[in-house]
Amino acid sequence: DGGITQSPKYLFRKEGQNVTLSCEQNLNHDAMYWYRQDPGQGLRLIYYSQIVNDFQKGDIAEGYSVSREKKESFPLTVTSAQKNPTAFYLCASSIRGANGANVLTFGAGSRLTVL
Amino acid sequence: SQQGEEDPQALSIQEGENATMNCSYKTSINNLQWYRQNSGRGLVHLILIRSNEREKHSGRLRVTLDTSKKSSSLLITASRAADTASYFCATAVLNAGGTSYGKLTFGQGTILTVHP
Repeated sequence: DGGITQSPKYLFRKEGQNVTLSCEQNLNHDAMYWYRQDPGQGLRLIYYSQIVNDFQKGDIAEGYSVSREKKESFPLTVTSAQKNPTAFYLCASSIRGANGANVLTFGAGSRLTVL
Repeated sequence: SQQGEEDPQALSIQEGENATMNCSYKTSINNLQWYRQNSGRGLVHLILIRSNEREKHSGRLRVTLDTSKKSSSLLITASRAADTASYFCATAVLNAGGTSYGKLTFGQGTILTVHP
């Protein structure tokens, strides 16, 4: 089945530790995105990538890093510099549009809790 | 601040009633999309309306777009308990050159509860 797989579903981290969230898609989509969701605040864009080996900062990139070495994979690292990392993280992908964003397909999310 | 603002924040209705959610945005857009999220899950795309369209239908969903007022509405007719979810609008924003940044900006969502 085609789709986006995020792992782990739940993750606990101690303060000061880096953690990497995995996102893999087999939809042959060019563009991939990471969003953060906090209660009552909707989704905020962390990073996005429209093509392999290229990515751009979103609205809240500080304390996060990404890589896009393969078309299928877009891992997100939450670093110790992120002040309040406890949140629900959503990965998405889409066909790369020439003009205008296309429809996003989302993964099931990863819930990160910092202890 | 968020590009999209949704109203109401929460909506509670009985099965069979219609549900209307509104979304306002601030800058010029290429298209506006609506997504649904069940609690603790990923989002699912419902419908897309382009900036040159005024109304679009999909099953029990009707979306309108008024670019002069920078607003959109989502109507769910004959609601069911299974429609209980959060609904988000998302906009594809145009940059100064008139093209898209290639990303979507989401509103804060409307929580819809449909009572059986």
